[in-house]
Amino acid sequence: DAKTTQPPSMDCAEGRAANLPCNHSTISGNEYVYWYRQIHSQGPQYIIHGLKNNETNEMASLIITEDRKSSTLILPHATLRDTAVYYCIVLLNSGYALNFGKGTSLLVTP
Amino acid sequence: DVKVTQSSRYLVKRTGEKVFLECVQDMDHENMFWYRQDPGLGLRLIYFSYDVKMKEKGDIPEGYSVSREKKERFSLILESASTNQTSMYLCASSFFRGYEQYFGPGTRLTVT
Repeated sequence: DAKTTQPPSMDCAEGRAANLPCNHSTISGNEYVYWYRQIHSQGPQYIIHGLKNNETNEMASLIITEDRKSSTLILPHATLRDTAVYYCIVLLNSGYALNFGKGTSLLVTP
Repeated sequence: DVKVTQSSRYLVKRTGEKVFLECVQDMDHENMFWYRQDPGLGLRLIYFSYDVKMKEKGDIPEGYSVSREKKERFSLILESASTNQTSMYLCASSFFRGYEQYFGPGTRLTVT
């Protein structure tokens, strides 16, 4: 599976959009981009995934560049409860195991 | 909503004890997983199961075994617990390979 690179930490003011970048320059054509987050002392939570088109659900939006080498997770109106570690993962559609890496620690401040 | 439950949130065991960690999912998922999470090492896959009675080793299976006798239940067994197995253990399930995984709340195991 392709490796991902994320900034170690980011801050965001409550109510503003949080834009979390991920670089996956070695992604192959049949690998999906998945985003999970982990709030302190809880299990990871699935957020969203996509292949090449932009995706949106009730939690977030995922923007994947046309060359698929990077993506951005957008939390449109961040709240204090969005403070968590966010993981960007690429996975084959036939794959099983998730490689979580170190993720981005997002701090949402009042 | 998918629900994955784990038998205990916190567990303290002594070195050499046999330890059972149980995981139950209620969404008829095919796949179930056991991970452990340690500071600085992230989540590492111990074992997974893609069907009843079927299992595959993950990245760090040594010292662990698993059992899946029913589709909804996946057990992780530490045959003889050791202090280096002190960790957060996370169970997950997914409908099929390549699909999103849903995690339980985790069990923090301390082996003394």
